[in-house]
Amino acid sequence: QSVLTQPPSVSGAPGQRVTISCTGSSSNIGAGYGVNWYQQLPGTAPKFIISSNNNRPSGVPDRFSGSKSGTSASLAIAGLQAEDEADYYCQTYDISLSAWVFGEGTKLAVL
Amino acid sequence: QITLKESGPTLVKRTQTLTLTCTFSGFSLSTRGVHVGWIRQAPGKAPEWLALISWDDYKRYSPSLKSRLTITKDTSKNQVALTMTNMDPVDTATYYCTHRVDATHTGGLWGYWGQGTRVTVSS
Repeated sequence: QSVLTQPPSVSGAPGQRVTISCTGSSSNIGAGYGVNWYQQLPGTAPKFIISSNNNRPSGVPDRFSGSKSGTSASLAIAGLQAEDEADYYCQTYDISLSAWVFGEGTKLAVL
Repeated sequence: QITLKESGPTLVKRTQTLTLTCTFSGFSLSTRGVHVGWIRQAPGKAPEWLALISWDDYKRYSPSLKSRLTITKDTSKNQVALTMTNMDPVDTATYYCTHRVDATHTGGLWGYWGQGTRVTVSS
């Protein structure tokens, strides 16, 4: 059981906007650590796409945005495209565990 | 361009010791603020952080696996190795080598990942 909680699945039609939540606690997100999001396509390694302060590596479209408030964070994807269908994981640092932690992942389906 | 590549056995037996090597390019592990980590992912599960080694030879391990893990670096060869003892079928996973840049030894993100190496533990 992960210390970060994500919904198992979300879905949306092409062009729509979806959000994925990541809920933590006072020992991780609430302690001030940033939350990072990774996209994993089938059979590939996770790829960092955005952080909660909207730091985005080159090549990641600005349709992806990140935010954080209190002990939770969110990933928003606007203008949903078929290529966005993937698993998404949130990640932060937990000061009580002294470890980098990941959420259990959310499968995004583009209908 | 930063690249990382994992190598090691694809199959190990229960109780054996696993040694994985990460060979990287595009950065130096002697540069201040550079870290290399190992993260694994069991089939159908979320990634799990295992270990970190930093430019200053600082080392950190997952609390739940600390007694079984050893991470080392060879800066001259651009390699990092991870050893995991007493392997069990539950350790079957894809093991990834990862790169991080941060002035501190906590927090931050894993910006670059290797392709991963699949390890199966037989009983």
